[in-house]
Amino acid sequence: DAKTTQPTSMDCAEGRAANLPCNHSTISGNEYVYWYRQIHSQGPQYIIHGLKNNETNEMASLIITEDRKSSTLILPHATLRDTAVYYCIVSTQIKAAGNKLTFGGGTRVLVKP
Amino acid sequence: DGGITQSPKYLFRKEGQNVTLSCEQNLNHDAMYWYRQDPGQGLRLIYYSQIVNDFQKGDIAEGYSVSREKKESFPLTVTSAQKNPTAFYLCASSIVGLAGKNIQYFGAGTRLSVL
Repeated sequence: DAKTTQPTSMDCAEGRAANLPCNHSTISGNEYVYWYRQIHSQGPQYIIHGLKNNETNEMASLIITEDRKSSTLILPHATLRDTAVYYCIVSTQIKAAGNKLTFGGGTRVLVKP
Repeated sequence: DGGITQSPKYLFRKEGQNVTLSCEQNLNHDAMYWYRQDPGQGLRLIYYSQIVNDFQKGDIAEGYSVSREKKESFPLTVTSAQKNPTAFYLCASSIVGLAGKNIQYFGAGTRLSVL
């Protein structure tokens, strides 16, 4: 399974953009990059995913480098409620259909007032 | 509301006892998954099922069993053979399709402790 590398932790000022980097240098051509976040003692929440193009939704933007070896999740205006552990995951196809998410340690993001 | 319901929220197991964690979804998803999370760690896949009456082992299936008799339900039994069951257990579901289409949605989790 392709591995991801993320910073252990980072702080962000409330109202500013938060840029979360992720390295996935062994990603295969058909593997997607997914981002989830987990607020303490809750289930992970899906944020966004992409293959090779940049993606944007109501929560965040995902920037994937042209060689697909790294990506950045951007939270445009961080709020205190965005304090969580953010996981960058390379999804692996399992059996005929379905995907396996391998969660690493994630980045612990603390949004400060 | 559509979603995934896990129960109970907290569960205690005595030595040598089997316990069953419930997971129900009303999202009409074909695939369901069980993960285990230890403190400060990421999630690890225990079992998954892509269709009723079929399921597959994940990375850490030893000491666990599952069934999938109904599309909506995917219970996980933690058996006495699991020697270190204390963890946070998460259930997820997704549609079945190509890797870019099957976003997994998670329940709120069950925290299991050993007495």
